Amino acid sequence: DTGVSQNPRHKITKRGQNVTFRCDPISEHNRLYWYRQTLGQGPEFLTYFQNEAQLEKSRLLSDRFSAERPKGSFSTLEIQRTEQGDSAMYLCASSLGSGKGSDGYTFGSGTRLTVV
Amino acid sequence: GENVEQHPSTLSVQEGDSAVIKCTYSDSASNYFPWYKQELGKRPQLIIDIRSNVGEKKDQRIAVTLNKTAKHFSLHITETQPEDSAVYFCAASWPNDYKLSFGAGTTVTVRA
Repeated sequence: DTGVSQNPRHKITKRGQNVTFRCDPISEHNRLYWYRQTLGQGPEFLTYFQNEAQLEKSRLLSDRFSAERPKGSFSTLEIQRTEQGDSAMYLCASSLGSGKGSDGYTFGSGTRLTVV
Repeated sequence: GENVEQHPSTLSVQEGDSAVIKCTYSDSASNYFPWYKQELGKRPQLIIDIRSNVGEKKDQRIAVTLNKTAKHFSLHITETQPEDSAVYFCAASWPNDYKLSFGAGTTVTVRA
């Protein structure tokens, strides 16, 4: 499978702990996105990278959240001091953007975070 | 940001019938409208998309129509099959923007 890969698939953590998720996009894709999805809702935008540059962060992304994409390849999303409200599916997506504006994403299978 | 509303939230159809899902958006500047299908426990998958310079697009049993004046776009699935059962999400994006604003989703159940 040469699609978008996310690890781990599931993560259960205690409130207050730090967690880190990894996303490996499709290799030739220059754009990478993080979204959060809660039950019964559509995905909500968190942040976006073009190559290694983080170009936009949602107001949903508090100071406890940080994302990186070193060398423009894989990306990590870290949540510090997790809270129960952070429980959600964290989706990564990538796309091959050749111009301005959005294009079709390929999503990964997500990391389901449960904070107990 | 863009506000996208999706209706209905659930839709049950008899196999072979058509299904229609409608989304409205708030910003007339939005110019890109994709549809994603998400089966239970799986990733959202892009099934069709349309840009604002086109009024309709078809791909086999799936079609999307766009009404820019009314600011709504619809997904049409004809000759539904059990494998069409899934949650469908619409989304919209502004020009020169890369993020998508998603609707809340429609759970489609195709009855055999």
